[in-house]
Order: sequence, then C-alpha cells, then structure tokens
Amino acid sequence: QKEVEQNSGPLSVPEGAIASLNCTYSDRGSQSFFWYRQYSGKSPELIMSIYSNGDKEDGRFTAQLNKASQYVSLLIRDSQPSDSATYLCAVSGSNYKLTFGKGTLLTVNP
Amino acid sequence: DTGVSQDPRHKITKRGQNVTFRCDPISEHNRLYWYRQTLGQGPEFLTYFQNEAQLEKSRLLSDRFSAERPKGSFSTLEIQRTEQGDSAMYLCASSLVSEELFFGEGSRLTVL
Repeated sequence: QKEVEQNSGPLSVPEGAIASLNCTYSDRGSQSFFWYRQYSGKSPELIMSIYSNGDKEDGRFTAQLNKASQYVSLLIRDSQPSDSATYLCAVSGSNYKLTFGKGTLLTVNP
Repeated sequence: DTGVSQDPRHKITKRGQNVTFRCDPISEHNRLYWYRQTLGQGPEFLTYFQNEAQLEKSRLLSDRFSAERPKGSFSTLEIQRTEQGDSAMYLCASSLVSEELFFGEGSRLTVL
C-alpha cells in the first residue's frame, strides 16, 4: 500500500513569515511529486511539481525533494493571509496515478 | 472556460437511489481520473481512463460504482443504491500522460 504522510496541522504562522510544509512517502519507486493547494469547499489547485532531487523555486514557493530520505517539502516565503488553505502532497509512480496525503492546514495570521 | 467541468455541482439524494455524475475534461487531455474526498481527508483514487480504456479501478471501490468514458471524451460515474457512507465530494481530473493533473470543481453528494 503506497502511503503519503503529512502533518495534519494546523500550522499557524504570522504574516510575512516562512511556512514550511513536510511530506514523506513510502514507495521508493515514486517519480513525480506535487503540491496542491485547496481552499475550503474548493477543489485542489496545482501549485508546484518537482521530479528530481534538490530545490525548485517558483515565486514565493520552493519545493524540495530528497529521494534518498523519501521526503518532499514546500516552503512559502513572505506568507500572506491568502495562503491560508490546506496543502496536499501528492506522489506518483510510472503509471502517473497520484496518491495524496491527508493535507496540512495552514493558517497565516495578519 | 477550457478547464475541467463537472455536473451537477451538488446532488442530494435519498438512500437507495442511483446517482450519476458527468465530467468533461480539458479537450486535449487523454487521461481522466475520478477521486473521492471526505472532510479532513485527501483525495482518494477511484479509477482512471486513458482515452476510452479504463486502466485501473480501486480495490476499495464497491461494485455499486461504475465509470465509463465512451469515445475517450467525457466520463460518467454512476453510484447505484446509494448509502450514507457515499456522501463525499467526487472530483474529476484530467491530464496528458506524464503531466500534472488538473481538477474540476467537484460534485458534492449528500445521501440522506
């Protein structure tokens, strides 16, 4: 059974701080890694994808992947109240079917 | 709007009734996925298609659930003899093979 684990939170940070979200996965054959943002009552929205070890930056978001440790993280710099949402980590293998974690609820306090 | 479209957005039904959801993917996407999500949980995989072929169905999915994708375009997900435990958000997503999944707004089912 492939598993994706996330701390459910809630994670609370002040506005302007760095939010750090973490995810571990069980399947060593996993090839692609994604972070989705989900506002309450809405569907998941893709914000980052990462496929190789290291860091990938996109604006205020940085995804980090360490395949040896089976660990992927998302950093959000200069956090804004509009970043308050549930962040879902998703992992896929050779069949490109995503397995999701339960998500981490992030609250950014003004 | 060229995103993934789902219909209906909300469905309230009585236990034992059948319901059907429709998903229209992004037009050039050949993969279509169905997920189910309950409160406080991440999306749970149900099934997926590549073109018109159903490639995998979750072992957790009872035989009351069936999905089709005729002609590799839109897809339908039918739930027969609904139970209260079927209450959830049913999410459809589409992609090109090896690319990221894009989700529709979801169909929320409430079984009374």
